[in-house]
Amino acid sequence: DTGVSQNPRHKITKRGQNVTFRCDPISEHNRLYWYRQTLGQGPEFLTYFQNEAQLEKSRLLSDRFSAERPKGSFSTLEIQRTEQGDSAMYLCASSPEGLTPSSGANVLTFGAGSRLTVL
Amino acid sequence: DQQVKQNSPSLSVQEGRISILNCDYTNSMFDYFLWYKKYPAEGPTFLISISSIKDKNEDGRFTVFLNKSAKHLSLHIVPSQPGDSAVYFCAARTSYDKVIFGPGTSLSVIP
Repeated sequence: DTGVSQNPRHKITKRGQNVTFRCDPISEHNRLYWYRQTLGQGPEFLTYFQNEAQLEKSRLLSDRFSAERPKGSFSTLEIQRTEQGDSAMYLCASSPEGLTPSSGANVLTFGAGSRLTVL
Repeated sequence: DQQVKQNSPSLSVQEGRISILNCDYTNSMFDYFLWYKKYPAEGPTFLISISSIKDKNEDGRFTVFLNKSAKHLSLHIVPSQPGDSAVYFCAARTSYDKVIFGPGTSLSVIP
């Protein structure tokens, strides 16, 4: 188990370009989450998947953002026509489905994040 | 609408003393609460959690207290150590397995 892997770790792009981030979750986890974090804020929920089905999308996810998980394993988050306001850390996390944890158990395992800077 | 609130952006504590981080929430349907710790340039890492049917959970130096009537939880760290310096996020899980985070509290433990 290598944990949640995110690539690339850093991406610098010019405004108007498209960028894509990839997340490889823990293999036995069928729930996958995307969050965005800006300076001084907590992780903001963007979307999540159960296997390949996208269960919910936040209103933060404008039509320039699209997330996929085509085979229920890795996921991609694409941002089209990037804007400076898209600069943030994009975090991926995974979880087993339908977890009913006893107190003390974790729910989300995060990757190290992909930092986007839009110039 | 911010469903999970951490009203103290920062906290400084002397090494060896108690650190108390507070969190308030608005949604009574949250069934599970978690604390995550984050260092710069890393993803959040899990620290401790509590089910909504409990009022206290302890793990070593870390204790989480839950007051459902007040919709309030707190994280106690005793004794605080310099390595505890990080940003701490309170998080809450909905019945649909979505986890909502607060804005975080930056803890500095002074040697």
